[in-house]
Amino acid sequence: DQQVKQNSPSLSVQEGRISILNCDYTNSMFDYFLWYKKYPAEGPTFLISISSIKDKNEDGRFTVFLNKSAKHLSLHIVPSQPGDSAVYFCAASITGNQFYFGTGTSLTVIP
Amino acid sequence: EPEVTQTPSHQVTQMGQEVILRCVPISNHLYFYWYRQILGQKVEFLVSFYNNEISEKSEIFDDQFSVERPDGSNFTLKIRSTKLEDSAMYFCASSETSGEYNEQFFGPGTRLTVL
Repeated sequence: DQQVKQNSPSLSVQEGRISILNCDYTNSMFDYFLWYKKYPAEGPTFLISISSIKDKNEDGRFTVFLNKSAKHLSLHIVPSQPGDSAVYFCAASITGNQFYFGTGTSLTVIP
Repeated sequence: EPEVTQTPSHQVTQMGQEVILRCVPISNHLYFYWYRQILGQKVEFLVSFYNNEISEKSEIFDDQFSVERPDGSNFTLKIRSTKLEDSAMYFCASSETSGEYNEQFFGPGTRLTVL
């Protein structure tokens, strides 16, 4: 099952700079997309969502961009903070119930 | 802040035994989910549950698995006869809605080890 891919397993960014996490998908029927953050030994924590009728959704320091024609979404974190260091997962769904997760990108924000 | 809780945090069992993983979703949520994450692999959807019935399930969720909401607060995942490959972290989640505004809140997970 490779419907959702996060091709960068890790990313390091200086504190205060922008973090850009990328996600690609193959199923054009996906209509709902979520980003989660996960710390070790904890469950995923919801960050932000977007549906296919939009191309951008913003919540504080987090912005998700969706490019349906390219089947690509990205999460921007500005400015990055050390507490943002975690594993970030994107997830996609056709119905909004069954979500397919990517393999995650480990973000390290360097103070 | 309301949260999803799961018990136990770690369950060790012998192959072939039945296990029940328990979850208490957030009280006003209507949609419930189980996911699993095998070590080193991605989080995988197992099942979603709404209005006392399964709404969707993945191919992983075969006849060995069942879910139940026995008393209006707990949400359980039963594995009838565990296999070695069932060893994973199991996450319960709940949400108020589905679709566009589906913010799923996850519990801390139960680590299942099958020996």
